[in-house]
Amino acid sequence: AQSVTQPDIHITVSEGASLELRCNYSYGATPYLFWYVQSPGQGLQLLLKYFSGDTLVQGIKGFEAEFKRSQSSFNLRKPSVHWSDAAEYFCGGGRRALTFGSGTRLQVQP
Amino acid sequence: DGGITQSPKYLFRKEGQNVTLSCEQNLNHDAMYWYRQDPGQGLRLIYYSQIVNDFQKGDIAEGYSVSREKKESFPLTVTSAQKNPTAFYLCASSGAGTGGAGGEKLFFGSGTQLSVL
Repeated sequence: AQSVTQPDIHITVSEGASLELRCNYSYGATPYLFWYVQSPGQGLQLLLKYFSGDTLVQGIKGFEAEFKRSQSSFNLRKPSVHWSDAAEYFCGGGRRALTFGSGTRLQVQP
Repeated sequence: DGGITQSPKYLFRKEGQNVTLSCEQNLNHDAMYWYRQDPGQGLRLIYYSQIVNDFQKGDIAEGYSVSREKKESFPLTVTSAQKNPTAFYLCASSGAGTGGAGGEKLFFGSGTQLSVL
């Protein structure tokens, strides 16, 4: 089945530290890939997306992600985490309809 | 303001009852989607519709039904056949001009929390 996988359910980092959230995909062809963020009780907000071309994608709020075909990965990174980044992050992929990974909950310690 | 609206915010279902969740968008989007969110399982696709009067099953369609009679509306009915309906339900839409053909950015509603009495 075509899917995305987020191996980390929960991550805690200190404010100011760097962050990397993992996402692996399994599709026959290169899918469209996305990262979304969800605040409690809310819908999802798009952080960034990859369709083709440059494999390093810049998003909002200082996030970036790198598409690595050899590793079937699309990991999300941020060089310095802020307390307001605490949320749940979803990697998604697909072509006709987007499917999501199970999410990674990020906690930020002061 | 343009956007996607889900109602109600909270909904309670009695045993054996069908309930309908509303999703309306005024973004002129062609495609609409329903997702179910459970703790630890992320978002799972229930149904989606690429165009009016057409829809397809997602990964967990059993116990649910949808209709797409109007472009702006995509209601989801949780039937009595869905034995574990308690979850947070999210509706989304996407359309041409928001990112390209296929794989467009999704615009999400604020969700409906469904609980069983």
